[in-house]
Amino acid sequence: DTEVTQTPKHLVMGMTNKKSLKCEQHMGHRAMYWYKQKAKKPPELMFVYSYEKLSINESVPSRFSPECPNSSLLNLHLHALQPEDSALYLCASSQEPLAGGYEQYFGPGTRLTVT
Amino acid sequence: DAKTTQPPSMDCAEGRAANLPCNHSTISGNEYVYWYRQIHSQGPQYIIHGLKNNETNEMASLIITEDRKSSTLILPHATLRDTAVYYCTRLAGGTSYGKLTFGQGTILTVHP
Repeated sequence: DTEVTQTPKHLVMGMTNKKSLKCEQHMGHRAMYWYKQKAKKPPELMFVYSYEKLSINESVPSRFSPECPNSSLLNLHLHALQPEDSALYLCASSQEPLAGGYEQYFGPGTRLTVT
Repeated sequence: DAKTTQPPSMDCAEGRAANLPCNHSTISGNEYVYWYRQIHSQGPQYIIHGLKNNETNEMASLIITEDRKSSTLILPHATLRDTAVYYCTRLAGGTSYGKLTFGQGTILTVHP
């Protein structure tokens, strides 16, 4: 099973709402990632979790709050977002974060619209 | 600078080989080159990766120049389903292990 699942597929939220994105993998991978992708642009890394600990934060605003409850799950908590945060949010996982040579498997993404 | 440079678009006839170039002139010795593709805003799909040697798998071949400053992804027999955005990426080493930096991508259109 090389699948990364993400829920929900689509999310519309107001600027005062609190919502969460969920990502799950059952490949035994020890690294998980959040990316943000705006239309017609490449994905941009937001966060990296390595062995359930946050290892890279690409200076993401605090209105985005990641959480890794266990090695299979990754959440992204959203609060007080802005319309410019509307994008496709992608989750990925890889076997070993601290060495090269391991591919990242991406989920299908959550398309977020902030109104 | 962890950038990669790719042509914005390319065309290929169905059944022919598609050769997609990538420039990564600032790549360091421990950085891998990875290729992904993305179809219709789905999640990116892994294609192939390499460090120094040329690589081949069931999807594609990767040719890396001896100085490692550029590489070429080869789809040997392109089909219509290969129409996608192809991203050449670098996997950073050191304290940034796990950080994939995507280039702008090449839109490959395969024509009948």
